[in-house]
Amino acid sequence: NAGVTQTPKFQVLKTGQSMTLQCAQDMNHEYMSWYRQDPGMGLRLIHYSVGAGITDQGEVPNGYNVSRSTTEDFPLRLLSAAPSQTSVYFCASSYSNRGAKLFFGSGTQLSVL
Amino acid sequence: SQELEQSPQSLIVQEGKNLTINCTSSKTLYGLYWYKQKYGEGLIFLMMLQKGGEEKSHEKITAKLDEKKQQSSLHITASQPSHAGIYLCGADEAGNMLTFGGGTRLMVKP
Repeated sequence: NAGVTQTPKFQVLKTGQSMTLQCAQDMNHEYMSWYRQDPGMGLRLIHYSVGAGITDQGEVPNGYNVSRSTTEDFPLRLLSAAPSQTSVYFCASSYSNRGAKLFFGSGTQLSVL
Repeated sequence: SQELEQSPQSLIVQEGKNLTINCTSSKTLYGLYWYKQKYGEGLIFLMMLQKGGEEKSHEKITAKLDEKKQQSSLHITASQPSHAGIYLCGADEAGNMLTFGGGTRLMVKP
């Protein structure tokens, strides 16, 4: 089973460049989310979606855009990359926002120079 | 928003020793989740606790949620190098996805 698939695994950008981190899940989960992980700060929620066509902001949404046109895909867009966005990004999905464990992708390590 | 504080932030133990990691919330926990992350990899679900006083075990790892549902502990018995990694607690937040603590980095010395 594929579960949650994230691409790419590694990416280096220059300041000001834009890019999209891809996330796909094959478990028919309604809930999907993006987190960033920085040293000593655990995981912080960027954006999340409770179903196709519905997205909302998390704790640290500035500089990121999301859309959810299908149940399977939840891409994260960096509009104009900044060094402060250097981080490890994780996509996750679950069948519920309550009482359900999250399934995580393997992460994308992003460096912005 | 809910804040989760984990302690200690890092821990180095000798193989075979027991250890405990704590997770304290600023609000009542409706659900508390423990995840483990191996260095450079994604997160693996360990356990979920929902009821005050609940205790769950998996192999040599035991997690408890206190009666007031504001603190959870993760206890590892007879630690092994395979237990090394980052342990994160996560909590349900109403109408939203999980929020996470800062993580505890565990190293087990052979």
